Amino acid sequence: DQQVKQNSPSLSVQEGRISILNCDYTNSMFDYFLWYKKYPAEGPTFLISISSIKDKNEDGRFTVFLNKSAKHLSLHIVPSQPGDSAVYFCAASAQGSGTYKYIFGTGTRLKVLA
Amino acid sequence: EAGVAQSPRYKIIEKRQSVAFWCNPISGHATLYWYQQILGQGPKLLIQFQNNGVVDDSQLPKDRFSAERLKGVDSTLKIQPAKLEDSAVYLCASSLDSQQYNSPLHFGNGTRLTVT
Repeated sequence: DQQVKQNSPSLSVQEGRISILNCDYTNSMFDYFLWYKKYPAEGPTFLISISSIKDKNEDGRFTVFLNKSAKHLSLHIVPSQPGDSAVYFCAASAQGSGTYKYIFGTGTRLKVLA
Repeated sequence: EAGVAQSPRYKIIEKRQSVAFWCNPISGHATLYWYQQILGQGPKLLIQFQNNGVVDDSQLPKDRFSAERLKGVDSTLKIQPAKLEDSAVYLCASSLDSQQYNSPLHFGNGTRLTVT
């Protein structure tokens, strides 16, 4: 049972344009959502997060939007740069047995074309 | 601050052999996680420690995998005996305190295991 889904395995965008990465989830108990970026041969690095009490969080070129009714979140990168080319994972967490547990999606490979 | 340290970076073993991975989390982080990432998939949680106690090992194949976190600091993950399907990247992560809301995970660079 895949509780966090990233239905687009890959995405190509021209440099300077907007990149939109999508993520859907099924568990309504999730209350904290994160995006990670992963370069080859490195571990995922934390990018941006959003709590369920908000619908938008912005950090520089990165904005995450949360639509709780649709159980959907998205990451917008504006403007996209070649260095943004990486695999992006969304993750969701919910409290269970007193601790927060994190479930990851399968990732979307973003390629920004110069 | 120093990040999460993992070793070795790469390991190649034959099936039925044993292997061990080591992780040193960010100083002061109470929670330590081991994830398995198979090619083309997202990270899957194997085990989660809060200080030196296990809080979730529901997806750890306990017949062959074991993990410990001595003194609530560094941790070792062992596989014995290894199977071909264990080929994956093993990621260690830590967070300040998973009992607190809004505590993101910080990952190490992982150990790529190939079982032949």
